[in-house]
Amino acid sequence: AQSVSQHNHHVILSEAASLELGCNYSYGGTVNLFWYVQYPGQHLQLLLKYFSGDPLVKGIKGFEAEFIKSKFSFNLRKPSVQWSDTAEYFCAVFGSGGYQKVTFGTGTKLQVIP
Amino acid sequence: GAGVSQSPSNKVTEKGKDVELRCDPISGHTALYWYRQSLGQGLEFLIYFQGNSAPDKSGLPSDRFSAERTGGSVSTLTIQRTQQEDSAVYLCASSLVLFTGELFFGEGSRLTVL
Repeated sequence: AQSVSQHNHHVILSEAASLELGCNYSYGGTVNLFWYVQYPGQHLQLLLKYFSGDPLVKGIKGFEAEFIKSKFSFNLRKPSVQWSDTAEYFCAVFGSGGYQKVTFGTGTKLQVIP
Repeated sequence: GAGVSQSPSNKVTEKGKDVELRCDPISGHTALYWYRQSLGQGLEFLIYFQGNSAPDKSGLPSDRFSAERTGGSVSTLTIQRTQQEDSAVYLCASSLVLFTGELFFGEGSRLTVL
């Protein structure tokens, strides 16, 4: 089975502060990793993804995430947040090897204060 | 269509009634997923389809829940004899390429059971 753990449930930051949201996964094989974002009143959308290659991946709106295989982690980062980044962020894992389910973490609500 | 379409967007029903939720995926997407999003619970996997078949039904909470997909396109999630704990947002997502886990989500169907 695969699982995803997000450490922070609710984060409050001031504009221009740096962001790091933790994500750890549990799966014994090769994984694809994702961060999805849900802005208020909108549907879930892909923020960034890691399939293979460079473990530092860049997504939309200045977000990036680093895959550290030895730590089973895929933390999301942004150097300077904006009020428009207020949203809920979900980490997700897709394990290869015939198990087609995408497993999501419980989400982190980010509130950015102007 | 341009995106994943779900209907109804909102459904209020009485305990014990049956409900049907519909999902129309992005044209050409072969994989279709249903998730349930409850307050503070993150995204709970329910079922996925590859074409018209459902290889993994392990996430369906009880035998009151069923889903089907016809013509490799539209899917219906049916909840029989609804209970108050079924209240949640039901999300549908589709995926173009199998075995990647990259999902495109609909707006969701908010179900309230009184």
